[in-house]
Amino acid sequence: AQSVTQPDIHITVSEGASLELRCNYSYGATPYLFWYVQSPGQGLQLLLKYFSGDTLVQGIKGFEAEFKRSQSSFNLRKPSVHWSDAAEYFCAVASFSGGYNKLIFGAGTRLAVHP
Amino acid sequence: EAQVTQNPRYLITVTGKKLTVTCSQNMNHEYMSWYRQDPGLGLRQIYYSMNVEVTDKGDVPEGYKVSRKEKRNFPLILESPSPNQTSLYFCASSHIAGGRYNEQFFGPGTRLTVL
Repeated sequence: AQSVTQPDIHITVSEGASLELRCNYSYGATPYLFWYVQSPGQGLQLLLKYFSGDTLVQGIKGFEAEFKRSQSSFNLRKPSVHWSDAAEYFCAVASFSGGYNKLIFGAGTRLAVHP
Repeated sequence: EAQVTQNPRYLITVTGKKLTVTCSQNMNHEYMSWYRQDPGLGLRQIYYSMNVEVTDKGDVPEGYKVSRKEKRNFPLILESPSPNQTSLYFCASSHIAGGRYNEQFFGPGTRLTVL
């Protein structure tokens, strides 16, 4: 069965430090992968997505993610974190089971940013 | 503006009192879906609909009902809410195109508390 694992429940970084959030997926075919962000009290915002092609994907707000098929990973990175990046981040994989769009989400990683 | 709307945004109710959370989209999407978000579990799909009068269970359908009488609306019904249905609920919609993923658009979320 398809699944997504985010090994880190909470991460704390200092403002200006680099960030890497881990995501591992289990999916039989070529996956469609996503990162979403949920700021406190807000809905879900799509940060970036990978469908095919270049394995390094650029997203909004200065985020990027790298697809590594050999490691079944799609880690999210940012070179310099801002206080406004404090939020919960979800990795997801799209499943085409039954011909429809189903997103399978990881449990999320809550990011805290220290000044 | 293309959007998915949900109402109410916040709701506190008591055990056993029937409630409906509405979801509406203005993008003429065929596919609509409900997810619930719980700490440590990410988002899990409750029900989905491929088109008018076509609905099916997701991963956690127990205690919920849906209907799809019009293409734009997909209400979530809790006939007899229980405290374990306290959660954050998201509605999502997308087009359906065979063989490929279509981006899902999410509503702002409905925070439900069942006492």
